[in-house]
Amino acid sequence: DQQVKQNSPSLSVQEGRISILNCDYTNSMFDYFLWYKKYPAEGPTFLISISSIKDKNEDGRFTVFLNKSAKHLSLHIVPSQPGDSAVYFCAASARGGGADGLTFGKGTHLIIQP
Amino acid sequence: KAGVTQTPRYLIKTRGQQVTLSCSPISGHRSVSWYQQTPGQGLQFLFEYFSETQRNKGNFPGRFSGRQFSNSRSEMNVSTLELGDSALYLCASSKTRENTEAFFGQGTRLTVV
Repeated sequence: DQQVKQNSPSLSVQEGRISILNCDYTNSMFDYFLWYKKYPAEGPTFLISISSIKDKNEDGRFTVFLNKSAKHLSLHIVPSQPGDSAVYFCAASARGGGADGLTFGKGTHLIIQP
Repeated sequence: KAGVTQTPRYLIKTRGQQVTLSCSPISGHRSVSWYQQTPGQGLQFLFEYFSETQRNKGNFPGRFSGRQFSNSRSEMNVSTLELGDSALYLCASSKTRENTEAFFGQGTRLTVV
């Protein structure tokens, strides 16, 4: 049973436009969420995170929105650049002792078209 | 500062053999976690170590084990390798156990033939 779901395996966006990547989760114990970017044959690179006590966190071109009632989060990239083409993973954690590590979605392959 | 370092980067082993992978976390980070990435299952949590003790374990058989040393460096061992163990093994480190902002190494690509 997938606790973190990224329902779009791929997404194509024109350079300069907004990229919106979505993530849904089912486990209400999750209270910390992270986005990672991954290139082939490399480890995931941390992008941005958000605690469940917030509904928005912004860092440069990246903004993450959290809707706890809908158990949904999204990553906005504005403006999209060619170097943003990569696989993006949403990850969730239940902080404090007993956490089972990070639970990852299966990723969304973002393709930025010139 | 140096990132998470994993060695070796690539490894080819035969079924039935055992393998040991190494991970050096970011300086000052005390929590080290291991993940397996395969095309079908995505990224899956193996186990987490903190202060030389395994704190959490994912849903993997006992053939997968690990340890952490006093300098926070960690090793992961897989015994009696199976073809299905072929994967990218990723190590992540974080300052604390709260899984906030875990930083990943480049991974070890294990191929079992």
